[in-house]
Amino acid sequence: QVQLQESGPGLVKPSQTLSLTCTVSGGSISSGGYYWSWIRQHPGKGLEWIGYIYYSGSTYYNPSLKSRVTISVDTSKNQFSLKLSSVTAADTAVYYCARDQAAGTIDYWGQGTLVTVSS
Amino acid sequence: QSVLTQPPSVSAAPGQKVTISCSGSSSNIGNNYVSWYQQLPGTAPKLLIYDNNKRPSGIPDRFSGSKSGTSATLGITGLQTGDEADYYCGTWDSSLSASVVFGGGTKLTVL
Repeated sequence: QVQLQESGPGLVKPSQTLSLTCTVSGGSISSGGYYWSWIRQHPGKGLEWIGYIYYSGSTYYNPSLKSRVTISVDTSKNQFSLKLSSVTAADTAVYYCARDQAAGTIDYWGQGTLVTVSS
Repeated sequence: QSVLTQPPSVSAAPGQKVTISCSGSSSNIGNNYVSWYQQLPGTAPKLLIYDNNKRPSGIPDRFSGSKSGTSATLGITGLQTGDEADYYCGTWDSSLSASVVFGGGTKLTVL
């Protein structure tokens, strides 16, 4: 059973960079066949796809966030990470890491972590 | 404004059937598989339906999916109070700004 766990600061100051890491257990990122995703959910709102990465390092980003987002992978640690720069209060959300089988079929999700942007 | 359009809410009595629609375009639903997710209060979303109409292991056959043209539908029969949740459709959008897109979500109330 694949499990994903997000970790990182729950509070980030405006204009700084939000950094989160997702640790995968029960499966190897380097085995291929899946895309490792970040998705967020603003309080009381719907799901917003941020982007995903393949084990090889190929990335796909939401065009509306692309200029501020970097997703990277560390196969030696079986982790992937999210960096979102120049954050504002509008980036306050629950951030989920997840596994995508292909093109939006997201079969495993982390529990989510709330990140608040505030001074 | 979500790329895929869902009704904000639906409701039905226990034991009844409900359908939730998801409308898109040729660049997303029209040419890609649709997935459906259930999000119970305070929890992460869970995959209910993938490839338009397939159920992952462990999902009861009370849940079904279909697609026609640029629209998809989630059906739930034999409604239970435990089905009260938010439901989201999702797919790939293969326009110039290729990305995964979701509907705005539908709140199901079991009266």
